Amino acid sequence: EVRLVESGGGLVQPGGSLRLSCAASEDSTVRLSSFESFEMHWVRQAPGKGLEWLAYISPTGSRTHYADSVQGRFTISRDNAKSALYLQINSLRAEDTAIYYCAKERLHFELQEWGQGTLVTVSS
Amino acid sequence: QSGLTQPPSASGSPGQSVTISCTGTSRDVGGYDYVSWYQQHPGKAPKFLIYEVSKRPSGVSDRFSGTKSGNTASLTVSGLQAEDEADYYCSSYGGSNNLVFGGGTKLTVL
Repeated sequence: EVRLVESGGGLVQPGGSLRLSCAASEDSTVRLSSFESFEMHWVRQAPGKGLEWLAYISPTGSRTHYADSVQGRFTISRDNAKSALYLQINSLRAEDTAIYYCAKERLHFELQEWGQGTLVTVSS
Repeated sequence: QSGLTQPPSASGSPGQSVTISCTGTSRDVGGYDYVSWYQQHPGKAPKFLIYEVSKRPSGVSDRFSGTKSGNTASLTVSGLQAEDEADYYCSSYGGSNNLVFGGGTKLTVL
């Protein structure tokens, strides 16, 4: 079973930037050798609200797709050598306040494994 | 891409069955058999419950079942137990390489 752990959240001022990370591991293995075969996503959940899909990245990182609502401000990337997934968020707004989850896809945008999430709060 | 429509709440007594609907369009739910369901307890991450409309991942109770008719998918929870009280979300591949979620349904076990 894959373990996903997000980090990088915190309190940020409006207009600021943040890079979220998601580390993948399996049992006690620090580096997950199969991470390079995973299709990965970011999803967020505003306080008291539902889930919102944000972005997808292919196993090699050559293909990325974004929700219209974040296209141009969010960038998904990955480092397979480190079994890590990233989400760069720019020009942060109050409405970006949410828990951000990384998730591993089973197939067809079905999200099989989720991290515990990292909270981003945008406030002055 | 608009979100999928779910009832905000549902309820049932222990042992009963409850069905939660998820309505989309021909561009998402009706167009693909890639509907998933997720269970989320307060303060926890979502848990993968159903995929490809009706299939259960290993370890998920067979009390959870999924179906689809036209543009509407449904999740049925049979033999309700207290631990089933949670939020439930549907999702569907939306074509054009995007994913759309429902607004979520809060299930209360009376």
